[in-house]
Amino acid sequence: GENVEQHPSTLSVQEGDSAVIKCTYSDSASNYFPWYKQELGKRPQLIIDIRSNVGEKKDQRIAVTLNKTAKHFSLHITETQPEDSAVYFCAASIGRNYGQNFVFGPGTRLSVLP
Amino acid sequence: DAGVTQSPTHLIKTRGQQVTLRCSPKSGHDTVSWYQQALGQEPQFIFQYYEEEERQRGNFPDRFSGHQFPNYSSELNVNALLLGDSALYLCASSLVLFLAVTEAFFGQGTRLTVV
Repeated sequence: GENVEQHPSTLSVQEGDSAVIKCTYSDSASNYFPWYKQELGKRPQLIIDIRSNVGEKKDQRIAVTLNKTAKHFSLHITETQPEDSAVYFCAASIGRNYGQNFVFGPGTRLSVLP
Repeated sequence: DAGVTQSPTHLIKTRGQQVTLRCSPKSGHDTVSWYQQALGQEPQFIFQYYEEEERQRGNFPDRFSGHQFPNYSSELNVNALLLGDSALYLCASSLVLFLAVTEAFFGQGTRLTVV
């Protein structure tokens, strides 16, 4: 079955710096890779996603890249702000026929220091 | 446009008891998936319901069962509760499009504590 690894497990950056989180997946059949942000005690919120037929996607300060050959995908946050502090999960889709189900990475706790 | 809603928000049960959790999908969505998130861990996929049938299942025992109703809402049932079942239970909804990919949105979760 699918396995998703995520690094680093914790990340501290100064406000205004960039943050990069990297994930790898095992199942070449996975075709959709979302990133979720989860603040303490709250639901995971989708912040960006990428389909398997796209190599890069950007939304304001957030970008995601995908290397299907290497089974790697990464989240890039530029100009970090204290409100970016949260746990970030990458995920890879499993199954193809009935909507979206995911295997999640173990998460990265991002702290943005003012 | 209502998002994904779950009830109850918190629940305390005793070992051996049974529990039912409920989820209403986002308007326009027809698929509901359930996840278990232990404290400090990532969400783990339990199962998915579409057209009132279980379509895919993760590595969870038969004590975990579910149901989907004609209005697309769903229930998660857990029998013979164990202390290790204590977790945040998340419901996610999405729309089935066989030739496209749609996002999945999560509800706020139900915090289950087994004592």
